[in-house]
Amino acid sequence: GQSLEQPSEVTAVEGAIVQINCTYQTSGFYGLSWYQQHDGGAPTFLSYNALDGLEETGRFSSFLSRSDSYGYLLLQELQMKDSASYFCAVRGGYQKVTFGTGTKLQVIP
Amino acid sequence: DARVTQTPRHKVTEMGQEVTMRCQPILGHNTVFWYRQTMMQGLELLAYFRNRAPLDDSGMPKDRFSAEMPDATLATLKIQPSEPRDSAVYFCASGLGTSMNTEAFFGQGTRLTVV
Repeated sequence: GQSLEQPSEVTAVEGAIVQINCTYQTSGFYGLSWYQQHDGGAPTFLSYNALDGLEETGRFSSFLSRSDSYGYLLLQELQMKDSASYFCAVRGGYQKVTFGTGTKLQVIP
Repeated sequence: DARVTQTPRHKVTEMGQEVTMRCQPILGHNTVFWYRQTMMQGLELLAYFRNRAPLDDSGMPKDRFSAEMPDATLATLKIQPSEPRDSAVYFCASGLGTSMNTEAFFGQGTRLTVV
């Protein structure tokens, strides 16, 4: 089976940097993805890591360590609009995508 | 503007009634997922298809739920009979299903309320 763990809530100040961690257990592993979901909206794709290391996309970066079954999402220069829930998701055997329980990020002035 | 289309957006039904939710995946995508989202359980994978064939529906209560892809442009999720605990937002997502392209595009969801 597949299971993922991430913190339920994080609060950070506008303009700061925040890191959201994700640990996973899976049978078969193709990659770790991150999604953003605003209240009432649909999840939208942010990033994907198939190999160890850091992937940078604008203000967002994502890191993966396959040996540690661990990854994180780094958000820099936080803006109020970044307040949302962030989900890590594992693509495992048979391309099955399983989501974590989500981290609710609140950005405060 | 390619997008996943789900209908209906909202559905209120009485316990015991049949509910059918529809999804039009993005043209060319060969993988379709059905997720259910609730406050308590988060995003749960119910079923997914690759090239219209069901790969895994272990997350779905088999006695009342069924998922099908009658053709490449339509995926359906049916609940019969519906129960109040089925109240949730049901998302459909589609993707290309390759190891190096994992982006799943989500529809806007169907908000189901069973009373």
